[in-house]
Amino acid sequence: DAGVIQSPRHEVTEMGQEVTLRCKPISGHDYLFWYRQTMMRGLELLIYFNNNVPIDDSGMPEDRFSAKMPNASFSTLKIQPSEPRDSAVYFCASSLAGDTQYFGPGTRLTVL
Amino acid sequence: AQSVTQPDIHITVSEGASLELRCNYSYGATPYLFWYVQSPGQGLQLLLKYFSGDTLVQGIKGFEAEFKRSQSSFNLRKPSVHWSDAAEYFCAVGSSGTYKYIFGTGTRLKVLA
Repeated sequence: DAGVIQSPRHEVTEMGQEVTLRCKPISGHDYLFWYRQTMMRGLELLIYFNNNVPIDDSGMPEDRFSAKMPNASFSTLKIQPSEPRDSAVYFCASSLAGDTQYFGPGTRLTVL
Repeated sequence: AQSVTQPDIHITVSEGASLELRCNYSYGATPYLFWYVQSPGQGLQLLLKYFSGDTLVQGIKGFEAEFKRSQSSFNLRKPSVHWSDAAEYFCAVGSSGTYKYIFGTGTRLKVLA
C-alpha cells in the first residue's frame, strides 16, 4: 500500500515567492490534515479536511496561507508571499473516519 | 486546558537497556492516545494506539504502552533498546468525534553502543 505522498520533499525559495506544497492521501481515506513542525513550536495542526471540505482552519497562521482539496486524492498548501519565518517542515496526514492519522514524509521548506 | 506533556526532552540509554518514555495528558473527554516515532528526515510513524479496552497495548518494534487513567499517563516502554531505536518520540491525544490531535513536544532518544 502506498502511504501518504508529499511533494516536493525539499523546497528552497526566496522571500516573497509563492510556494505550493502537494499531498496525495492514502486511497480511501476521508480526512486530510496539514501540519507544520518547527523547533520552537513543535507540531502544529494548520487545517484539516473531511471529504474534501475544510472543517477547521483555525491553525492557519495568516492570510498568506491557503489550502485546497479539489478531489479525494489531492491537496495543496500554498503560501503567498512566503517569508523566512515560514521555514519549517510541513506534513500531510490522512485518516479513515477520523481514526489513526498516517503521516507523509514531509516537505522541508526553506525561505531565504 | 487540553495538553500533552513529555517531561523528558532528551534521554540517553545504552543498547540493550530498558526504556521508558513518559507522557502525561490533560484532556476533558475520554482520550484516544498515540505514540509516534520520527527518525531524522522522516515523517511520523505510528508505534501504537489506545482507544479502549486492555490498558496495556502492544505496538510495533517491540514497544508497549500502558494507559493509567488515575495518573493521566500513557508511558511508552521497551525492555531492550536497539541502536536503531534512536529517534524522536511523540505522544498525542485525541478523542472520538474530534479529529484534532494534540501532540507533545517530543522526547529525543539517544542510544549508546
